[in-house]
Amino acid sequence: GAVVSQHPSRVICKSGTSVKIECRSLDFQATTMFWYRQFPKKSLMLMATSNEGSKATYEQGVEKDKFLINHASLTLSTLTVTSAHPEDSSFYICSARDAGTVNSPLHFGNGTRLTVT
Amino acid sequence: EDKVVQSPLSLVVHEGDTVTLNCSYEVTNFRSLLWYKQEKKAPTFLFMLTSSGIEKKSGRLSSILDKKELFSILNITATQTGDSAVYLCAAPSNTGKLIFGQGTTLQVKP
Repeated sequence: GAVVSQHPSRVICKSGTSVKIECRSLDFQATTMFWYRQFPKKSLMLMATSNEGSKATYEQGVEKDKFLINHASLTLSTLTVTSAHPEDSSFYICSARDAGTVNSPLHFGNGTRLTVT
Repeated sequence: EDKVVQSPLSLVVHEGDTVTLNCSYEVTNFRSLLWYKQEKKAPTFLFMLTSSGIEKKSGRLSSILDKKELFSILNITATQTGDSAVYLCAAPSNTGKLIFGQGTTLQVKP
């Protein structure tokens, strides 16, 4: 089945530094990838839609200059949390759908636990 | 506004019990409804439902969609402690992004 790989799985960084999270579709091409954030005991909150070769589409309330998204190829999207603050600590999950399969479900990466100290 | 609502929000049962999780939706140009299971990491795909009345089954799990009443149920029979998880229901919007329900937290006690 479709596999989405997300790296790193866990990262701890200091306030003010930037962190990059990678999301790869391993056995399919994804023209669109999605980035979610999840707070403890809450459902997934969509942050942005990453589009291959063009700008990402951000959800209302999500700062595009803080959460930089790059989708440089059909198998890779990156999320960079810039100038991280403790309130950015969260669980970030990416997802992707096989562009070559009609009605393909969304598959998720294993998530990245970010802790900002 | 598109929305997906799950109930109950949490459920505690004992091993061997059967549970039914509910998901209702209001989505413009509805195409499909998906069920995911989330343990400690990211959600794993369970079912995708597109047609009304056709049950999808995988082991002890089954799910069905009612497009007239705009809801779906996920059934788990003979529950095991390994079924303990958050179960998420979601439907894609017009733009393709998934609208998630709040999730149902299931705890199966030995």
